[in-house]
Amino acid sequence: SQQGEEDPQALSIQEGENATMNCSYKTSINNLQWYRQNSGRGLVHLILIRSNEREKHSGRLRVTLDTSKKSSSLLITASRAADTASYFCATDAVTSGSRLTFGEGTQLTVNP
Amino acid sequence: ETGVTQTPRHLVMGMTNKKSLKCEQHLGHNAMYWYKQSAKKPLELMFVYSLEERVENNSVPSRFSPECPNSSHLFLHLHTLQPEDSALYLCASSQEGVAGVVNEQFFGPGTRLTVL
Repeated sequence: SQQGEEDPQALSIQEGENATMNCSYKTSINNLQWYRQNSGRGLVHLILIRSNEREKHSGRLRVTLDTSKKSSSLLITASRAADTASYFCATDAVTSGSRLTFGEGTQLTVNP
Repeated sequence: ETGVTQTPRHLVMGMTNKKSLKCEQHLGHNAMYWYKQSAKKPLELMFVYSLEERVENNSVPSRFSPECPNSSHLFLHLHTLQPEDSALYLCASSQEGVAGVVNEQFFGPGTRLTVL
C-alpha cells in the first residue's frame, strides 16, 4: 500500500481542542515532512523531522517520529478555526532518489 | 506567498488543444517538480528536474511534456489530453541536499485544469 498513510482520514474538533494525526510508512527514510493544504490551494510546508530525530516543535505544532514503528504523529495544540485544512505527511525514502511520497491526507475541521 | 508562482490559475481546454502551464520560483532553488492532484487520490509526482536535468519521469503519458529552460522556470506542455487528466497541477521547488536528500518543498498555488 501507499508509503505514508495518514490516520484518521477525517477529524472534526472544537476550537481550543488538540488535534492529533498519525502517519505510517513502510521503508527506511531520510526524513519525514508534514504539509498543510487549504482547499484547492498549494501545499505549505509545516515541519521536517530527520530520521535521527525523535521530536520537533514549531509554535503550536509538535511532531514525533518513531523509526522502529515506522510512524509519525502531528499534534496541533489549542486549535483554531483557521487550522481547518488537509494535512499530509510525505516521506523521503532512502532508496527513492529525488522524490517525496505523499499520503492521502487527513481532513481536519475545527468548529468555532 | 511561497516564492513559487504558477500561471494560469485556471484552464479549460478541449481534447485537441495544446496549452502550456508555467511555473517560476524566486527562491534560488536547484530542483523543481510537477505534481498532479486528483480528487480522492494522493499527490502524484510527475517530473523532477535537478540542476535543469530531468531526473525523474514517473511513467507519465507522453501527452504531458515538461521543459526546464533554466533553474527558475518550469513548463508543462499539454496536448491531446483526456477528460481524466482534469486535476490540480502543482509545481514545487526545493534546494536538493547531499546524496539526493529531499528538503522541504515550496509549492505554487496550482493550476486547476479541466479537460472537456
